[in-house]
Amino acid sequence: TQLLEQSPQFLSIQEGENLTVYCNSSSVFSSLQWYRQEPGEGPVLLVTVVTGGEVKKLKRLTFQFGDARKDSSLHITAAQPGDTGLYLCAGRSNSGYALNFGKGTSLLVTP
Amino acid sequence: DTAVSQTPKYLVTQMGNDKSIKCEQNLGHDTMYWYKQDSKKFLKIMFSYNNKELIINETVPNRFSPKSPDKAHLNLHINSLELGDSAVYFCASSQGISGQIIGNTIYFGEGSWLTVV
Repeated sequence: TQLLEQSPQFLSIQEGENLTVYCNSSSVFSSLQWYRQEPGEGPVLLVTVVTGGEVKKLKRLTFQFGDARKDSSLHITAAQPGDTGLYLCAGRSNSGYALNFGKGTSLLVTP
Repeated sequence: DTAVSQTPKYLVTQMGNDKSIKCEQNLGHDTMYWYKQDSKKFLKIMFSYNNKELIINETVPNRFSPKSPDKAHLNLHINSLELGDSAVYFCASSQGISGQIIGNTIYFGEGSWLTVV
């Protein structure tokens, strides 16, 4: 199983601050996905990155795929309470049949 | 309209009981999954079916038995429940096999909270 390590595990910040969440692996991935899970709900896809070095922006969220396609980062600018949730990165498994998820970063943004 | 729906949402049961969780998707997808999320929020694949055929069977106790009567349904039956089975179980679906199609999106249900006492 290809392992995905996410850091930090927990993050508590105030509204308006910036933050970065990291997803690292020793394996090369053909693509990585980021999901957000809100309390009481299932994960929802935010973005897919495919090309090494790729940068994608989704409003205040910026996603980057490492040049070697082994790592990815999620940067949030001017965080808002609505950003609170569990952020999960996911990459294709060795079997190719499923996505393996990292253990997630729990983000709490307080007003 | 709920794309992936699973029932029940909450289930509290005693050790040793047998229980089932049902899942249905109305997205027309041909692949469905069961994931388990433990108390530390780690989301791990359990099973996957593609067109009613089992394609993923991770290291899961054989007390867990998935059944797919058709490609829109994937149910999970659990025998002889144990305390360690307490978790949130997520059903999900995708068009095609998620890992084989770059960028393929998995759609998750809202989860079934299982508590074994």
